[in-house]
Amino acid sequence: GAVVSQHPSRVICKSGTSVKIECRSLDFQATTMFWYRQFPKQSLMLMATSNEGSKATYEQGVEKDKFLINHASLTLSTLTVTSAHPEDSSFYICSAGGQGNGEQYFGPGTRLTVT
Amino acid sequence: AQRVTQPEKLLSVFKGAPVELKCNYSYSGSPELFWYVQYSRQRLQLLLRHISRESIKGFTADLNKGETSFHLKKPFAQEEDSAMYYCALSGYNFNKFYFGSGTKLNVKP
Repeated sequence: GAVVSQHPSRVICKSGTSVKIECRSLDFQATTMFWYRQFPKQSLMLMATSNEGSKATYEQGVEKDKFLINHASLTLSTLTVTSAHPEDSSFYICSAGGQGNGEQYFGPGTRLTVT
Repeated sequence: AQRVTQPEKLLSVFKGAPVELKCNYSYSGSPELFWYVQYSRQRLQLLLRHISRESIKGFTADLNKGETSFHLKKPFAQEEDSAMYYCALSGYNFNKFYFGSGTKLNVKP
């Protein structure tokens, strides 16, 4: 089956620094990748949708200058949390789709802790 | 506004009992509905989608547009069904997805 990886799985950074999270589709080409944020005991909240070669579409309330998304190839999308603050601490999950049937393949998630 | 509601945070049943996980949605267009499952220490994975009308691991879900519901059912629960279940909604072009808050199913022996 389709596999999506995320790196790193965990990251701790100091307030004010930037962190990059990678999302890769390992055995298929993903025209669309999604980035979610999940707070403890809460649902996944869609942050943005990225399509290969074009600008990401951000959901309302998500700061595009803070959460930079790049989808430079059909197998890689990156999320950069710029000038991170403790309130950015969360679980970030990516998924890859674009198969035309609505199915998404999820990465294992990245736990970000900002101190 | 788009919304997916899963009213139960936790559902506990005994092995062999029927189970129904509720999902209601609000969507202005024609919805595409999905159920995703997350087993312990694993990533989210697709369980089933309404457009394919399939039964996976004994689970079925029927889209009821009149009641705006997409409840997940299984006639006889198994212990290995214990997991977190998320109902998800998308539009016809699958460019956005909205997830419910999830229901934790606990199947007791």
